[in-house]
Amino acid sequence: QKEVEQDPGPLSVPEGAIVSLNCTYSNSAFQYFMWYRQYSRKGPELLMYTYSSGNKEDGRFTAQVDKSSKYISLFIRDSQPSDSATYLCAMSAITNAGKSTFGDGTTLTVKP
Amino acid sequence: GAGVSQTPSNKVTEKGKYVELRCDPISGHTALYWYRQSLGQGPEFLIYFQGTGAADDSGLPNDRFFAVRPEGSVSTLKIQRTERGDSAVYLCASSLNSRYEQYFGPGTRLTVT
Repeated sequence: QKEVEQDPGPLSVPEGAIVSLNCTYSNSAFQYFMWYRQYSRKGPELLMYTYSSGNKEDGRFTAQVDKSSKYISLFIRDSQPSDSATYLCAMSAITNAGKSTFGDGTTLTVKP
Repeated sequence: GAGVSQTPSNKVTEKGKYVELRCDPISGHTALYWYRQSLGQGPEFLIYFQGTGAADDSGLPNDRFFAVRPEGSVSTLKIQRTERGDSAVYLCASSLNSRYEQYFGPGTRLTVT
């Protein structure tokens, strides 16, 4: 079993919808949680970076971390066709913050 | 400012050959990371440097893989005796230090025939 599990989708939503993306993890040492967006044939682009539990909002994006359930989420409000991409969650432990463990990504399509 | 750059963008090589992949990090970033991404999967950690030294090389799959960062800036990932299973996109990232956000380059697509 992988340390980080992510539903691969694909997920297809109409423009303007609220999108919910999720990851679960098994390593309780993870304290740093990241969400990346990756377009086809491009490198991952950091969207959100959070430490420990709680919520963080940045524009249309909200990241939530529930350490008690080992569950993290990314919400995208007012989704746009340009949001169509693969979304990757990643996490690392405070004792080895440089080593990130990634999920396999969820592919999202936002239809006009 | 300039982001992380990687060269070459594509590399095709024959099984058994030696390859070098180069990464130029964002100026001022002391930490540098190498990942490998296979089709349909997330990036897989290989190694990261803090300055010139490898802080964690636990992800290198075997002794055919080696990485250096001699002056604490540019890094080279070296793969000896390439195998078809080495075919993947090799991603490099950098950050201010290991506790800060990682910024990725576009990757080098390696194909071993």
